[in-house]
Amino acid sequence: EIVLTQSPDFQSVTPKEKVTITCRASQSIGTSLHWYQQKPDQSPKLLIKYTSQSVSGVPSRFTGSGFGTDFTLTISSLEADDAATYFCHQSTTLYTFGQGTKLEIK
Amino acid sequence: QVQLQGSGPGLVKPSQTLSLTCTVSGGSISGGSYYYWNWIRQPAGKGLEWIGRIYTTGSINYNPSLKSRVTISMDTSKNEFSLKLSSVTAADTAVYYCAREPPNDPLDYWGQGTLVTVSS
Repeated sequence: EIVLTQSPDFQSVTPKEKVTITCRASQSIGTSLHWYQQKPDQSPKLLIKYTSQSVSGVPSRFTGSGFGTDFTLTISSLEADDAATYFCHQSTTLYTFGQGTKLEIK
Repeated sequence: QVQLQGSGPGLVKPSQTLSLTCTVSGGSISGGSYYYWNWIRQPAGKGLEWIGRIYTTGSINYNPSLKSRVTISMDTSKNEFSLKLSSVTAADTAVYYCAREPPNDPLDYWGQGTLVTVSS
């Protein structure tokens, strides 16, 4: 099983700040890494697919990068609406998810 | 616009079988386009765990850690797919999501989630 470890687990940030969330895989997964946003009592929403590919309807302030075992989700200028938990997900074999990073807006 | 709606009992007794159904609207699960139909769960305050999936053609993949207890099936006449998890314990208490997965793309549309509590 491929384990995905996110950091940090929690971050408190101010609006307009740049935010970086990392996801490390226990073995190489190429670019088969995707990012989701989950707000309280809602289902996850796909933000970025295959490491860096944009998803229709997602604001351009969300971008992704990485390859192999190390990946990053960047929010260029945080907005209040971005308060949520963010998960990474790998889709090579036996799908797994990161433990989540909760973003709180100060 | 595709919509997925999960349904089923919110309370299941220990050792019994959890049964959930996901009804798909806005598209067919059996014809035209081909998709994987997934089940994922999330215990309160924790991360997501993939349970398994069924393809439009009927082929199935399960998480090995749950395989001995899980059955996923589809009913094309009702445009729905189902999850059965046997011999449940408190550790199976979670919100259960159904989700669509296009071939060579990640999970895109998710249902709203169904909370299932295992308790006597």
